[in-house]
Amino acid sequence: KAGVTQTPRYLIKTRGQQVTLSCSPISGHRSVSWYQQTPGQGLQFLFEYFSETQRNKGNFPGRFSGRQFSNSRSEMNVSTLELGDSALYLCASSPDPGQGSEQYFGPGTRLTVT
Amino acid sequence: DAKTTQPPSMDCAEGRAANLPCNHSTISGNEYVYWYRQIHSQGPQYIIHGLKNNETNEMASLIITEDRKSSTLILPHATLRDTAVYYCIVRVYTGGFKTIFGAGTRLFVKA
Repeated sequence: KAGVTQTPRYLIKTRGQQVTLSCSPISGHRSVSWYQQTPGQGLQFLFEYFSETQRNKGNFPGRFSGRQFSNSRSEMNVSTLELGDSALYLCASSPDPGQGSEQYFGPGTRLTVT
Repeated sequence: DAKTTQPPSMDCAEGRAANLPCNHSTISGNEYVYWYRQIHSQGPQYIIHGLKNNETNEMASLIITEDRKSSTLILPHATLRDTAVYYCIVRVYTGGFKTIFGAGTRLFVKA
């Protein structure tokens, strides 16, 4: 079974631009979560989606948004990019949102903002 | 804030068992403990999870204390490739799941 895939793997953007990152969960997985990882802040939770609904959100500004499609694929968008948005963005999928379900991470998208 | 605390770093000799401790004193009755590891900015790799019983899989064993306030991840025969940052987390349910990562333990396996 294929793992979680994220595209693109690497991205360079300029301040003020916007970016869209894509995540395809493992087949059959319906829950998708997004995380930001930076050297200073570590791994931080962005949001979680299940059945096209955002069920939980971390402490990030409104410039960070996401959505999930009916096939469970998910996208996250960052508008008006800032230098501090440079990070590794990770997506993770779970078979269901219940407690005790495993969560598998993708390889991440490394975003550099110049 | 993360619900877990871990030592920042540990060393282990190759071939020996690596025992990584984790404290989660505020864990609730229905919250699971999960372990992941991350090797050099790759995506975190799922290792194991448990509720209250000890668990074992092909990668590791998870020992949870009876009061569930702490746990230990055991890598039975550590290899150099096990050098990584190990994260112990408790997934919190607040209308949806939120996974809060702490700083983890950086495990160095030495030859």
